[in-house]
Amino acid sequence: GQSLEQPSEVTAVEGAIVQINCTYQTSGFYGLSWYQQHDGGAPTFLSYNALDGLEETGRFSSFLSRSDSYGYLLLQELQMKDSASYFCAVPNTGFQKLVFGTGTRLLVSP
Amino acid sequence: GAVVSQHPSWVICKSGTSVKIECRSLDFQATTMFWYRQFPKQSLMLMATSNEGSKATYEQGVEKDKFLINHASLTLSTLTVTSAHPEDSSFYICSAREGSGVNTEAFFGQGTRLTVV
Repeated sequence: GQSLEQPSEVTAVEGAIVQINCTYQTSGFYGLSWYQQHDGGAPTFLSYNALDGLEETGRFSSFLSRSDSYGYLLLQELQMKDSASYFCAVPNTGFQKLVFGTGTRLLVSP
Repeated sequence: GAVVSQHPSWVICKSGTSVKIECRSLDFQATTMFWYRQFPKQSLMLMATSNEGSKATYEQGVEKDKFLINHASLTLSTLTVTSAHPEDSSFYICSAREGSGVNTEAFFGQGTRLTVV
């Protein structure tokens, strides 16, 4: 099976940089995705890493190290609207389902 | 990106009644849809995988007779919570994939907040 662990909560101030970590245990690995979810809303896709290294998309970057079974989401130039929950996720074999991490609640203060 | 529409966005029902939640892929065909349940401040827990034209595959611990899933077409899947009880109150979210590759993005409906009174 799959299990993904994340810190439960992270706090930061506007303009800062924050890193949200994800460690995973999977039987087979097919990439790591990141999703953002605001309270009461649907998760929205942020990024996907299939190979080791850093993927950059605007203010958000995602990193993967397959040898360490570890990845992180890096958020730069934080804005108040970035306050949300962030989930890492992995597909199982055959991508028949997406398994989500425990989730990290990010609180951005002025 | 592709759009997944979920309806209703919220519903309040009496204990013992049934509630149907619809999930539609508006601009693509989804051979597979997923149903999740989420409690406050917790992660999304997969309930079942819905494949068009076949029976849904339920996760361990999910009662298939209580949570009826029908995937009648490539654009519509429904989840019916039968004989709902207060403990069924939760946020239910559907998801659909546009393709079949391992890096295919999953699109989510806006969720349905169910309150059973």
